[in-house]
Amino acid sequence: NAGVTQTPKFRILKIGQSMTLQCTQDMNHNYMYWYRQDPGMGLKLIYYSVGAGITDKGEVPNGYNVSRSTTEDFPLRLELAAPSQTSVYFCASSDLSRETIEGYTFGSGTRLTVV
Amino acid sequence: QKEVEQDPGPLSVPEGAIVSLNCTYSNSAFQYFMWYRQYSRKGPELLMYTYSSGNKEDGRFTAQVDKSSKYISLFIRDSQPSDSATYLCAMSPRSGGYQKVTFGTGTKLQVIP
Repeated sequence: NAGVTQTPKFRILKIGQSMTLQCTQDMNHNYMYWYRQDPGMGLKLIYYSVGAGITDKGEVPNGYNVSRSTTEDFPLRLELAAPSQTSVYFCASSDLSRETIEGYTFGSGTRLTVV
Repeated sequence: QKEVEQDPGPLSVPEGAIVSLNCTYSNSAFQYFMWYRQYSRKGPELLMYTYSSGNKEDGRFTAQVDKSSKYISLFIRDSQPSDSATYLCAMSPRSGGYQKVTFGTGTKLQVIP
């Protein structure tokens, strides 16, 4: 069981370039999330999705876009990369349809540097 | 004031010590409390979760919630070098449907052999 798979693991972008961070989960989870993690700042929610075709903004959505065409995939698009987007990006999924919260399953992260 | 406060550490202890990790929070609506462990260059993984107040034990780990004080703790007994990681607390209002989870900033723990 692969869980949540993120690609690429590392990437260096130049200012103004664009890229897509890929995220796939094989647990049939309804909910998927994108977080960024900066030193001393904790996890900040960028976007989330409660199902295929439904996405919504989190705390820090500016400069990012998402889509959810299937249950499994939740790509994050960076347009016009800026140095402030240098961070570690985590994709996560969860199944909150049951009464008991079971937490998130995180991917291993994408380390992005914008120079 | 942040909704969730967590001492960033780092916390350095000798092997075998009892470790206490703590978070305070301000939102009285939080009902579900979680602890995640994050090894270096890895994603967080769920360690334990509890509902409302009380204790929960799992092996060497004990999670405590004191809602009256808005204070949660994670205790690690007989700490091992393999426990060296960053520990994040997390909380949400309730389960079922989408619930916003608020994370602490994490406490970095180092267990010295």
